Amino acid sequence: DVKVTQSSRYLVKRTGEKVFLECVQDMDHENMFWYRQDPGLGLRLIYFSYDVKMKEKGDIPEGYSVSREKKERFSLILESASTNQTSMYLCASSPLRRNTEAFFGQGTRLTVV
Amino acid sequence: AQTVTQSQPEMSVQEAETVTLSCTYDTSESDYYLFWYKQPPSRQMILVIRQEAYKQQNATENRFSVNFQKAAKSFSLKISDSQLGDAAMYFCAYRRGIQGAQKLVFGQGTRLTINP
Repeated sequence: DVKVTQSSRYLVKRTGEKVFLECVQDMDHENMFWYRQDPGLGLRLIYFSYDVKMKEKGDIPEGYSVSREKKERFSLILESASTNQTSMYLCASSPLRRNTEAFFGQGTRLTVV
Repeated sequence: AQTVTQSQPEMSVQEAETVTLSCTYDTSESDYYLFWYKQPPSRQMILVIRQEAYKQQNATENRFSVNFQKAAKSFSLKISDSQLGDAAMYFCAYRRGIQGAQKLVFGQGTRLTINP
């Protein structure tokens, strides 16, 4: 089975802190994604990556950056956390081939106080 | 840009009955995939069913089936014989059909409650 693992299920950080959310997948997938989930808004794409060191902005990249130094690991970075970044963050991965879905981690609920 | 709309924030159904969740999408592409994902309280997103746009036949997976109306850009999910374990958030999603780093575009979600 595909496994996508996010480093924390719950995280509480202070305003202004630099926050790292880590995601690891074990299926050698080329694509990795970071989504933010908020009630009534569904899932919105923050950033995605299709190869090591490659990244592309999604729909809401402001205030975030990403890092992909190894194929299996995709990190989301909040440079200076703010209260409006309190949310659920979901990592996903998928292979390049066209006829397949994305596989998700269990989510990290981040609270910025 | 592609968009996905779920117009029912919440739905409820009696156990053992049938419920239909609605989804519409907007795209100018002809080759794409549509998905329904389930997110139970555990938060783990699980794929329920997938439909390929070039296939006219509606996809089915046991108690789950879709009504795919390509011309109307509609993709509803029917759950038959609802069970307590079906209670979850359900998300409709769209993906372009070309190979590569194609992101999933999600709807707003529908919270489904099953009444015993």
